[in-house]
Amino acid sequence: EAGVTQFPSHSVIEKGQTVTLRCDPISGHDNLYWYRRVMGKEIKFLLHFVKESKQDESGMPNNRFLAERTGGTYSTLKVQPAELEDSGVYFCASSHDLASEQFFGPGTRLTVL
Amino acid sequence: QKEVEQDPGPLSVPEGAIVSLNCTYSNSAFQYFMWYRQYSRKGPELLMYTYSSGNKEDGRFTAQVDKSSKYISLFIRDSQPSDSATYLCAMSGRETSYDKVIFGPGTSLSVIP
Repeated sequence: EAGVTQFPSHSVIEKGQTVTLRCDPISGHDNLYWYRRVMGKEIKFLLHFVKESKQDESGMPNNRFLAERTGGTYSTLKVQPAELEDSGVYFCASSHDLASEQFFGPGTRLTVL
Repeated sequence: QKEVEQDPGPLSVPEGAIVSLNCTYSNSAFQYFMWYRQYSRKGPELLMYTYSSGNKEDGRFTAQVDKSSKYISLFIRDSQPSDSATYLCAMSGRETSYDKVIFGPGTSLSVIP
C-alpha cells in the first residue's frame, strides 16, 4: 500500500511569490492533516480535513495560507504571498478515522529567500 | 511555558546501551501519549502509543506515563545503530486519541557502533 506522498520535496522561492504544496493521502483515508515545523521549533498542527470539509483550521497562522481538499482526495496548501518566516518543513498526515494512527508523509521543505 | 518540553540533545550512546528519553508537559487534559521516530528527510512514524498513566512494552521499547508528575519516558534497550533518529514525544487531550496532536521539539539520538 502506498504511503502519504507530498510534492514537491523541496521548494525554494522568493519572498512575495506564491507556492502550492500538494499532499496525496493513503487511499481511503478520510482524515487529512497539515503540520509544519519551522526552524528550531516543534512540529505544529495547521489544520484538519474530514473528507472535503475543514474540521479544524485553528492552527493556520494567517490568511496568506489557504488549504483545499476538493473531492476529498488530495489536498493543496497555498501560501500567497510567501514571507521569510514561512520557511520550514510542511508535513501532511492522513488517518482512516479519528481513533486511528496518523501516517505522515516525508514533508515538503520550503525555503523563502 | 511551552505545552511540551523535551531535551533536544543531541544524545550519543554506544551500541547496546539503554537509552532514556523524556518529556514533561503542562496541560493536565492530555490523555493520549505517543512517541514518534523520525529519520532524516522522512516524516515521523508512530513508535509507541499509551493511554493515560502506566507502562507499555513493545520489543526493545518501553513507554512510561506518569500523569501525576506530567512526565513521560521512552526507554530503548540494547540500542542499535538503526535506532539513530530524532524521537518526538506527542500528546493529545481531545475526545479521540489522535486528533490535533501536540508535539515536543524532539531529541536527536545517535547510537555509535
